[in-house]
Amino acid sequence: EVQLVESGGGLVQPGRSLRLSCAASGFTFDDYAMHWVRQAPGKGLEWVSGISWNSGSIGYADSVKGRFTISRDNAKNSLYLQMNSLRAEDTALYYCAKSGSYYLSWFDPWGQGTLVTVSS
Amino acid sequence: QSVLTQPPSASGTPGQRVTISCSGSSSNIGSNTVNWYQQLPGTAPKLLIYSNNQRPSGVPDRFSGSKSGTSASLAISGLQSEDEADYYCAAWDDSLNGGVFGGGTKLTVL
Repeated sequence: EVQLVESGGGLVQPGRSLRLSCAASGFTFDDYAMHWVRQAPGKGLEWVSGISWNSGSIGYADSVKGRFTISRDNAKNSLYLQMNSLRAEDTALYYCAKSGSYYLSWFDPWGQGTLVTVSS
Repeated sequence: QSVLTQPPSASGTPGQRVTISCSGSSSNIGSNTVNWYQQLPGTAPKLLIYSNNQRPSGVPDRFSGSKSGTSASLAISGLQSEDEADYYCAAWDDSLNGGVFGGGTKLTVL
C-alpha cells in the first residue's frame, strides 16, 4: 500500500523558516515525480512545487518562487520542502502527493498533510 | 481568483445526475489533460478522474469526465449521499509552468 506521511509543520513567526518532510513507502520512490500542494484554512487547493524522479525538472508556483526549495533523497525515500521568509499567507495544510505516470500528470495518492501556521 | 473556473456549489437529490463544469484557457485545459479530485469533509483529496476521462481502480463508474476545447466537466450519475464533498478540477498550465486548480465545487445531496 502506498503511504505518504508528512511532518515538520508547526507555528512559526513571519520571516522565519521551516522544513517539511514527506516519508514515502509502498512504491519505488525513485520511479516517480513528487509534488507539494497546499490548502489554506477553508480555501481551495494550490499547487506549490514539483520535482521529477531524478530532480532534473523542478517547478514552483509564482507565490513561493525564490522562497521555497523542493528536494528529494531517493536513498531515504523522502521528499522535502524548505520554506524560507514565511508569510501569513503561507498558512495552510501542506500535502505531499505522488505523481502519476509522468512529471506533469495527476496527483495520486495524497498524504494526510502537515499544518503550517505563520503568525506572530 | 483561481485559474480554472468552477461553480462554487452544486446540488442534487439521490439518484439524480449532476454535472460540474471547469473552464480554462488554451494554456491549460486547451493543451493539457484534466484531472478531478474529490475531497470528503476533513480528509485529504482523492484522485477521481485522470487524463480527462480515466477512472482509477476503485472509483465507481457513476463518475465520468469529459473535455472539449478549453472546458471540462465531471458527471456523477445515480447520486448518493456519500458523494457529498468538494470537487476540484486541475490541469497543467504551459504559461505558468505549473499546476493549476479550480476553486472547487461543493456538492450537496439534498
